[in-house]
Amino acid sequence: KAGVTQTPRYLIKTRGQQVTLSCSPISGHRSVSWYQQTPGQGLQFLFEYFSETQRNKGNFPGRFSGRQFSNSRSEMNVSTLELGDSALYLCASRPTGNTEAFFGQGTRLTVV
Amino acid sequence: DQQVKQNSPSLSVQEGRISILNCDYTNSMFDYFLWYKKYPAEGPTFLISISSIKDKNEDGRFTVFLNKSAKHLSLHIVPSQPGDSAVYFCAASAFGNQFYFGTGTSLTVIP
Repeated sequence: KAGVTQTPRYLIKTRGQQVTLSCSPISGHRSVSWYQQTPGQGLQFLFEYFSETQRNKGNFPGRFSGRQFSNSRSEMNVSTLELGDSALYLCASRPTGNTEAFFGQGTRLTVV
Repeated sequence: DQQVKQNSPSLSVQEGRISILNCDYTNSMFDYFLWYKKYPAEGPTFLISISSIKDKNEDGRFTVFLNKSAKHLSLHIVPSQPGDSAVYFCAASAFGNQFYFGTGTSLTVIP
């Protein structure tokens, strides 16, 4: 089975721009979650999608949004980028219920 | 509000000895706990999990202990190997919902 695939791996954007990150989950996994990792902050939960519906949302401003398509692929969008948005963005997929999540390799976003 | 806390940012252990990584949580509704291992520039890799109905789960060199009354879990690695050097995150969830992660503990195993 192919793992979770995130594209692109690296991205450099300028303040004020917007960015879209993509995540393809493991086949059959309907839940996709997004996390932001910054030094000293661990993994901060952004949102979770399940069957194209946002099921949970973390404490991030409205500039951060996402969606999930019918094939479970997910995209995350950040508008009006700020320097503080520089981070590793991780996507994770899992089947339903209490099971482990499988992470992609992440997208390293640098805002200059 | 950090519902899952790892109070030790780093830990160094000699090869062959035991590594003990600790994690505390505040939400008594958490019913599923996990440990992940992360190398730089890679996504976290699942290591071991435990349900709240158990107090111990073992997988090879890795054992997770859960103390619900203290809201504390720990990961024991015996014996520690240099390849275990990585950042370890604990995570918790309630009713199959989102995971809450700790801030991580960087483990260094000294050969």
